[in-house]
Amino acid sequence: GQNIDQPTEMTATEGAIVQINCTYQTSGFNGLFWYQQHAGEAPTFLSYNVLDGLEEKGRFSSFLSRSKGYSYLLLKELQMKDSASYLCAVRPIDSGAGSYQLTFGKGTKLSVIP
Amino acid sequence: GAGVSQSPSNKVTEKGKDVELRCDPISGHTALYWYRQSLGQGLEFLIYFQGNSAPDKSGLPSDRFSAERTGGSVSTLTIQRTQQEDSAVYLCASSRSALSGNTIYFGEGSWLTVV
Repeated sequence: GQNIDQPTEMTATEGAIVQINCTYQTSGFNGLFWYQQHAGEAPTFLSYNVLDGLEEKGRFSSFLSRSKGYSYLLLKELQMKDSASYLCAVRPIDSGAGSYQLTFGKGTKLSVIP
Repeated sequence: GAGVSQSPSNKVTEKGKDVELRCDPISGHTALYWYRQSLGQGLEFLIYFQGNSAPDKSGLPSDRFSAERTGGSVSTLTIQRTQQEDSAVYLCASSRSALSGNTIYFGEGSWLTVV
């Protein structure tokens, strides 16, 4: 089975740094995605990790440790527009049957306050 | 097209009626996915297409749900005899292929309300 855990809600101050954690237990692993979803809108892609380590992309960074089943999304220099839900999603290992769907966590609702 | 396009964007239907949701993926994307997001819940996988075939239908919640894809492009998700618990946002997504690392891009969703 697949199980992905993220904190339900977080609050942080404008200009600060926030780390959103994600732990997963899946039947296989073939990559982890982070998506941002503003209220009432579709998710948008932020990052993809398949190897251990840190991937940096502007103000956003994502870290993966496969041995620990753990990832985090780091947001620096927070802006009010960063208030959104952040979804962690794991792609299970490719199988002969071709099961390539992403399994999503329930998302972390981040509120950025002045 | 430039992005994944879904229609209708909003649909209110009476319990027991059938609804059809349409998805037009990004041009050239061979993989197409349907997800469902109920209020306050995470995204729930429904079905995945590679070309016109659906290797994984494991997420369809009941036999009232079906999906097809023709010409390797447009897909329709059909819900028969809708129930109130079917109320949700139905999100379509596509990727260049189903291989690892290909980013999945989402449409804006079809917001379904069953009254």
